[in-house]
Amino acid sequence: DGGITQSPKYLFRKEGQNVTLSCEQNLNHDAMYWYRQDPGQGLRLIYYSQIVNDFQKGDIAEGYSVSREKKESFPLTVTSAQKNPTAFYLCASSMYGSSYNEQFFGPGTRLTVL
Amino acid sequence: AQSVTQLGSHVSVSEGALVLLRCNYSSSVPPYLFWYVQYPNQGLQLLLKYTTGATLVKGINGFEAEFKKSETSFHLTKPSAHMSDAAEYFCAVRSPNFGNEKLTFGTGTRLTIIP
Repeated sequence: DGGITQSPKYLFRKEGQNVTLSCEQNLNHDAMYWYRQDPGQGLRLIYYSQIVNDFQKGDIAEGYSVSREKKESFPLTVTSAQKNPTAFYLCASSMYGSSYNEQFFGPGTRLTVL
Repeated sequence: AQSVTQLGSHVSVSEGALVLLRCNYSSSVPPYLFWYVQYPNQGLQLLLKYTTGATLVKGINGFEAEFKKSETSFHLTKPSAHMSDAAEYFCAVRSPNFGNEKLTFGTGTRLTIIP
């Protein structure tokens, strides 16, 4: 079945550590996105990538980094510079350039800083 | 710039009653509009979308929404609530322009169904 997988489902980090969240899709989608979800704030865009080897900052990119070396993969690194990283992180993908595309979401990773 | 306002962060309805979740948008051009549903600790699932054409859009699980340009609204409705409808619902907007495909989400409405 086609879809988006995120791993791990739960992640615990000590202060000062970098952690990397995995996102893989087999939908042959061009575009991929990372969102952060906090209670009462909806989803906020961290980074997005429309093609391989290219990505752009979203609304809250500070303290995060990404790479897009393969079409199927868009890992997100939460660095020690992110002051309040505890949140639910969602990855999404879509066809780029289609007028009617919608974004498909993975199951999410819940990150907790200890 | 686009924005979405969802009135009511929490809505409670009785089982079998009408569900109405409100969404108003701000956009310089007629946007594309989406409703997503999220069950606890899961990702988002598309309920329905409006792009062009008929302004009344039907989605999954008996939900529908009507695009009203004059009111800049895209409210979500369901005639009869079911216990399984309890979830969080997000309205989202994006530009119709090619290459500008970022979604802007509202802050969500948590729907509770009273038995």
